[in-house]
Amino acid sequence: RKEVEQDPGPFNVPEGATVAFNCTYSNSASQSFFWYRQDCRKEPKLLMSVYSSGNEDGRFTAQLNRASQYISLLIRDSKLSDSATYLCVVNRGDMRFGAGTRLTVKP
Amino acid sequence: DAGVTQSPTHLIKTRGQQVTLRCSPKSGHDTVSWYQQALGQGPQFIFQYYEEEERQRGNFPDRFSGHQFPNYSSELNVNALLLGDSALYLCASSSWPGTSGGDIQYFGAGTRLSVL
Repeated sequence: RKEVEQDPGPFNVPEGATVAFNCTYSNSASQSFFWYRQDCRKEPKLLMSVYSSGNEDGRFTAQLNRASQYISLLIRDSKLSDSATYLCVVNRGDMRFGAGTRLTVKP
Repeated sequence: DAGVTQSPTHLIKTRGQQVTLRCSPKSGHDTVSWYQQALGQGPQFIFQYYEEEERQRGNFPDRFSGHQFPNYSSELNVNALLLGDSALYLCASSSWPGTSGGDIQYFGAGTRLSVL
């Protein structure tokens, strides 16, 4: 079993849709959590940190459930520019990445 | 303010050769981590350098080695290249984990290595 597992995707949604990504992690000693975005053939870029209290940044909402070892990302009102691969990342001293979930937003 | 820079951007090698990749961290960062990203996969942690020492290491063979210099820049060396070493190699910089903001890593654009 992989340490960080994400929805395999791909997700193909129309503009304006709401889309949710899920991620689970296996190491309960994990300390901090993130969502990164990676465009095709580019480097990963930090989208947002994830906290137990939940956090929101514009159209993006992230949630962490430590008891269930589960992380989520919700994107509301999807834009064409949201098309990318979304990487769930768990830091337990070193960063462990999920395989990523590819999102394509279509007109 | 320069971000993380990596060189070269692309590299083609043959099996058995050796390669050196270079990374300069973002200004103000002292910790460098290296990752290997195969096509369709997430980045896999190779190792992390701080104060010129390897602090943590992922599940990679000894063919993968590194170095950090006093100016915080870093090199990744891979010996005896295999076809399976073909990947995007990413460098990420951060402050030392445990310091404020130290758990957030910023990535360079990567070096795409092809082994023929």
